[in-house]
Amino acid sequence: GAVVSQHPSRVICKSGTSVKIECRSLDFQATTMFWYRQFPKQSLMLMATSNEGSKATYEQGVEKDKFLINHASLTLSTLTVTSAHPEDSSFYICSARTSDEQFFGPGTRLTVL
Amino acid sequence: QKEVEQNSGPLSVPEGAIASLNCTYSDRGSQSFFWYRQYSGKSPELIMSIYSNGDKEDGRFTAQLNKASQYVSLLIRDSQPSDSATYLCAVNTNRDDKIIFGKGTRLHILP
Repeated sequence: GAVVSQHPSRVICKSGTSVKIECRSLDFQATTMFWYRQFPKQSLMLMATSNEGSKATYEQGVEKDKFLINHASLTLSTLTVTSAHPEDSSFYICSARTSDEQFFGPGTRLTVL
Repeated sequence: QKEVEQNSGPLSVPEGAIASLNCTYSDRGSQSFFWYRQYSGKSPELIMSIYSNGDKEDGRFTAQLNKASQYVSLLIRDSQPSDSATYLCAVNTNRDDKIIFGKGTRLHILP
């Protein structure tokens, strides 16, 4: 299957700081990338859909000014968690679409102190 | 009605037996169906895709699709403890070309 990378895999930051997570499709071009969040023992929650060259579409209840998404190229999307707080601590997973299938990155575990 | 429904489990199956995971979906026009496996603390991994009615086999895994009943299943033969994971069913809805995920079924293979 197609490979999606994510960086960093783990980050610990202080409350009030911003964290940027990168998602790359390594062997294909992804016109659409997705960002998910998953809390322990809970299911995946779609946060936003990111299309190359256009604004991201956010799911209901997700603050677009807090979770900034940039999809600058067909292989790179970034999620910036601004002014992070402890309740933002979670497992953030990106995903990229080929023509028909969707592949996930390995995830980034964010801990906000 | 939820778009993709799965029993949350846990489903406990003895080692060596067949594990059967089921999923129903609401959009009758859906064309593409997927099964993902997610180990605890890891991200989901695509293990099977199926597009037409019937069975599709890949090693110990068989995906079954019945579009008339809006039902897709995953069979795991000769279950191993390493198969213990959460299995996510996903459906590409015809409506907006989005892949919708079920909440997953936790499978526990008993040694």
